[in-house]
Amino acid sequence: GESVGLHLPTLSVQEGDNSIINCAYSNSASDYFIWYKQESGKGPQFIIDIRSNMDKRQGQRVTVLLNKTVKHLSLQIAATQPGDSAVYFCAEKNSGNTPLVFGKGTRLSVIA
Amino acid sequence: GAGVSQSPSNKVTEKGKDVELRCDPISGHTALYWYRQRLGQGLEFLIYFQGNSAPDKSGLPSDRFSAERTGESVSTLTIQRTQQEDSAVYLCASSRRFSTAYYEQYFGPGTRLTVT
Repeated sequence: GESVGLHLPTLSVQEGDNSIINCAYSNSASDYFIWYKQESGKGPQFIIDIRSNMDKRQGQRVTVLLNKTVKHLSLQIAATQPGDSAVYFCAEKNSGNTPLVFGKGTRLSVIA
Repeated sequence: GAGVSQSPSNKVTEKGKDVELRCDPISGHTALYWYRQRLGQGLEFLIYFQGNSAPDKSGLPSDRFSAERTGESVSTLTIQRTQQEDSAVYLCASSRRFSTAYYEQYFGPGTRLTVT
């Protein structure tokens, strides 16, 4: 069946550096992707989304890149801050009445 | 405005007992979802509701799990004869609509269930 996975389960970065979190998806029919951030003891929080007709979208300090050729999604965080420490999930949705499918998550640790 | 709320925040129960978890979605959100998250794991889809349509129960792991929703309001997830493997955080989310249009799910804080 469809699956969404991540290349790296953990990522440690120095404060101020840029972070890149990767995600691979297997369902070529997926047309919508979201990145969520989950802090300890809280529910996931929306960060940024992208549709399949785009290959890049920028938010505040975050950029999502979509490469449909290799079915790869990435989240870039500029000037990483201690408050960015959390688990990051990518999620995909394909057309039709199906819910989001979440990946396993990557834990980002920011070293002050 | 108010976000998605869930109760209780923590629940400890003995193996074999039934539990009910509650979710109050954001007002006006027609779609509601339940997920399970085991410690250190990703989100496992359980069930979703969309308006008055029949719910998608394809993610429920066994017939011990069931959920109800009254109209477009509160939902309850019931786990009967709980097992230790049911220990997890149960997350609820809602969204404005569920269709081929793009949407964002808003999550509640979750209910941490511990089965002893």
